[in-house]
Amino acid sequence: AQTVTQSQPEMSVQEAETVTLSCTYDTSENNYYLFWYKQPPSRQMILVIRQEAYKQQNATENRFSVNFQKAAKSFSLKISDSQLGDTAMYFCAFMALETSYDKVIFGPGTSLSVIP
Amino acid sequence: DAGVIQSPRHEVTEMGQEVTLRCKPISGHNSLFWYRQTMMRGLELLIYFNNNVPIDDSGMPEDRFSAKMPNASFSTLKIQPSEPRDSAVYFCASRPGAREAFFGQGTRLTVV
Repeated sequence: AQTVTQSQPEMSVQEAETVTLSCTYDTSENNYYLFWYKQPPSRQMILVIRQEAYKQQNATENRFSVNFQKAAKSFSLKISDSQLGDTAMYFCAFMALETSYDKVIFGPGTSLSVIP
Repeated sequence: DAGVIQSPRHEVTEMGQEVTLRCKPISGHNSLFWYRQTMMRGLELLIYFNNNVPIDDSGMPEDRFSAKMPNASFSTLKIQPSEPRDSAVYFCASRPGAREAFFGQGTRLTVV
């Protein structure tokens, strides 16, 4: 069974600084997706970034980028130039691609606070 | 598209009552998921459907919980009878094949 671990329950960062959120996962699958979702106080789950395991290049979306280390099963999220609106819970998620039936497994989340 | 639509947004009910949560997935999405979120247990997958067929309901906590998907545009999650420990935010999400899931706004359930 797949598991997703986020070892930092809470983090804080000064506005305009850079912060990195950690995620590790365990799987025997070779083909899969990894995601970072953001959940602000409004509780809406918003996709931040997606990484396909077969791609060696790390995904980037504006101020958000990942460091994907497949051998180490590590998938960290870097937020550059942090903004107050980045304050939220961040969830790392895994989805195997062996069949179209595969479910999305979430980590426990990291609560990020951006300090003015 | 309006996204995944859940109703109600908030529900307060008394212990022992039946509760029905509703979800309309995004049109064309063939997978639907029900998640429960609590402070203690985080996001738990309760059940998911593919092409309206339940694929995995191993996350359903007990027989008091049931879910149906009678057609591609509607799903329900029912709790009967409800208990205070069922209080949580319940999310519905849909997905178009092998891609990320799109979430609804969630239903905050409070059982008193």
